[in-house]
Amino acid sequence: SQQGEEDPQALSIQEGENATMNCSYKTSINNLQWYRQNSGRGLVHLILIRSNEREKHSGRLRVTLDTSKKSSSLLITASRAADTASYFCATVRGGYQKVTFGIGTKLQVIP
Amino acid sequence: EAQVTQNPRYLITVTGKKLTVTCSQNMNHEYMSWYRQDPGLGLRQIYYSMNVEVTDKGDVPEGYKVSRKEKRNFPLILESPSPNQTSLYFCATHRYIAWGDAEWAYGYTFGSGTRLTVV
Repeated sequence: SQQGEEDPQALSIQEGENATMNCSYKTSINNLQWYRQNSGRGLVHLILIRSNEREKHSGRLRVTLDTSKKSSSLLITASRAADTASYFCATVRGGYQKVTFGIGTKLQVIP
Repeated sequence: EAQVTQNPRYLITVTGKKLTVTCSQNMNHEYMSWYRQDPGLGLRQIYYSMNVEVTDKGDVPEGYKVSRKEKRNFPLILESPSPNQTSLYFCATHRYIAWGDAEWAYGYTFGSGTRLTVV
């Protein structure tokens, strides 16, 4: 099974609302990253949170990490139609920094 | 402009006909990797390379080959493609092979993808 599993798999909201996506994982990690993918395009790195951090902000993005529950969440505030994309979490673990991507959450922001 | 270039963008081929998908980067990154993306399965790593002449298997290497003769190029070779290799392929790079926290702030840089159909 995937190391990172996003929830929900699909999310549809109105423009201006907040969008929250969750990621669960199974093994200990060094850090966790979130990526964004526009339809059929390459992934773009959004934000990284280290295993010793609990919360991080970047613009309208807020990421939390709970290592005791092995879960992370990505919050996009005041969503825009342009935020429509798939969002992936990626866990990084091991001495050689193995990166494993989840299945993704497909976000649709309706204008 | 820093970029990872994949070619071709789209490819339709027949079973058994050898093909190569190229990946080139202009950022002098040491680490390069290939992923395939399939619905419901996310991205799965095929092969990765720590540096020139250093490659290793990822999670789904069967049916694929790679080479790293130059730092900037990391081609993916399908010697005898089969329909189950129909997928969206991505090349990804990173500037370091031994990554500390600071370096990981950059994340991976991805190519635009190659959509491969094997009939």
